[in-house]
Amino acid sequence: GAGVSQSPSNKVTEKGKDVELRCDPISGHTALYWYRQSLGQGLEFLIYFQGNSAPDKSGLPSDRFSAERTGGSVSTLTIQRTQQEDSAVYLCASSGYNEQFFGPGTRLTVL
Amino acid sequence: AQSVTQPDIHITVSEGASLELRCNYSYGATPYLFWYVQSPGQGLQLLLKYFSGDTLVQGIKGFEAEFKRSQSSFNLRKPSVHWSDAAEYFCAVVPDFTGGGNKLTFGTGTQLKVEL
Repeated sequence: GAGVSQSPSNKVTEKGKDVELRCDPISGHTALYWYRQSLGQGLEFLIYFQGNSAPDKSGLPSDRFSAERTGGSVSTLTIQRTQQEDSAVYLCASSGYNEQFFGPGTRLTVL
Repeated sequence: AQSVTQPDIHITVSEGASLELRCNYSYGATPYLFWYVQSPGQGLQLLLKYFSGDTLVQGIKGFEAEFKRSQSSFNLRKPSVHWSDAAEYFCAVVPDFTGGGNKLTFGTGTQLKVEL
């Protein structure tokens, strides 16, 4: 598979639980982005990784959100103590230069 | 504030008719401009992009877009719409590629319905 993959495709959790969302970028892409798509807020940037540089976390909505990228490849977005307003589709994208390729997203539902 | 505006939330066209989706941006300089399409349950697919040069850009699936600096617009067009074009379309910008990476700022999207 040459594209960006994300897992799980769907996640249902209870309020207050922690969740981890995974992104496998296109091999060789140095940049990785997380976005969130929700009915109320549309598509919004969350966090950006570029190579070994410190990530740009300017879009994270609260300190309950964190992300890491191990070995410059796979990334995990973690949401602690989930709230109902965290329900959304979380999209990952990777980029080798100036075009971002998006994965299919993880639909998160917080009950 | 910097923003991207897609004034049409929903558009319905007949199959075979022409299509124009509007996008306006408010940035001090010319940003880098993109159009993405999202089919139900799918991720975002890039249709076309504009960085510089010729203001009329061609994309995939028969789409084109024209950058008009004087109007701060980057409207998407297609001469003849196919039923498979029914989807949601997003205009997006990157203010610049220096320092801040390629963080995309998206418009609110236009939902396209195609009548057979």
